[in-house]
Amino acid sequence: DAKTTQPTSMDCAEGRAANLPCNHSTISGNEYVYWYRQIHSQGPQYIIHGLKNNETNEMASLIITEDRKSSTLILPHATLRDTAVYYCIVRVNSGGSNYKLTFGKGTLLTVNP
Amino acid sequence: GAGVSQSPSNKVTEKGKDVELRCDPISGHTALYWYRQSLGQGLEFLIYFQGNSAPDKSGLPSDRFSAERTGGSVSTLTIQRTQQEDSAVYLCASSSRLAGGAKNIQYFGAGTRLSVL
Repeated sequence: DAKTTQPTSMDCAEGRAANLPCNHSTISGNEYVYWYRQIHSQGPQYIIHGLKNNETNEMASLIITEDRKSSTLILPHATLRDTAVYYCIVRVNSGGSNYKLTFGKGTLLTVNP
Repeated sequence: GAGVSQSPSNKVTEKGKDVELRCDPISGHTALYWYRQSLGQGLEFLIYFQGNSAPDKSGLPSDRFSAERTGGSVSTLTIQRTQQEDSAVYLCASSSRLAGGAKNIQYFGAGTRLSVL
């Protein structure tokens, strides 16, 4: 799996948009970008994924650059409950042992009142 | 059910005792995973079940650890003769056979926090 780089921590004001960047400059053509988060003392939670087009769901939006070397997760209106560690992962979806999910350090997003 | 269910949520046991942790995956999900997460650490893969195929047990740390999945649904992770280093949060996840990128989405339970005294 391609390596990802994320800032260690970020702060965001409640009600504002949180924009979490991720660099994945070695991503290959068949690798998807996935975002998970882990709220303190809870299991990891899937947020969104994409291949090359921007994606939006009820939780967030994912913006992937045209060269696919970086992406941004956007939480449009952050709440205190969005405080968590956010993980960006790039993975292929076929064959091998790609089912073994591994997280890097992630970004600790703190939403402040 | 609506999500992955794990029980118990917390388990305190004495060193040397056996424990059983249960996972009830999302209905219809064919794949089931067990991970371990120590305090402040990342995910440690333990075992993977996919349908009727032989499970991938390559992540089990010792022969004290075993897991089974009955009827392609509920799974039990058993730790025999527990040691203090087994203390961690044990997470279960499941995923479906959907095509494309969605196939990789693992949905996690809340975990079982195991404390070995």
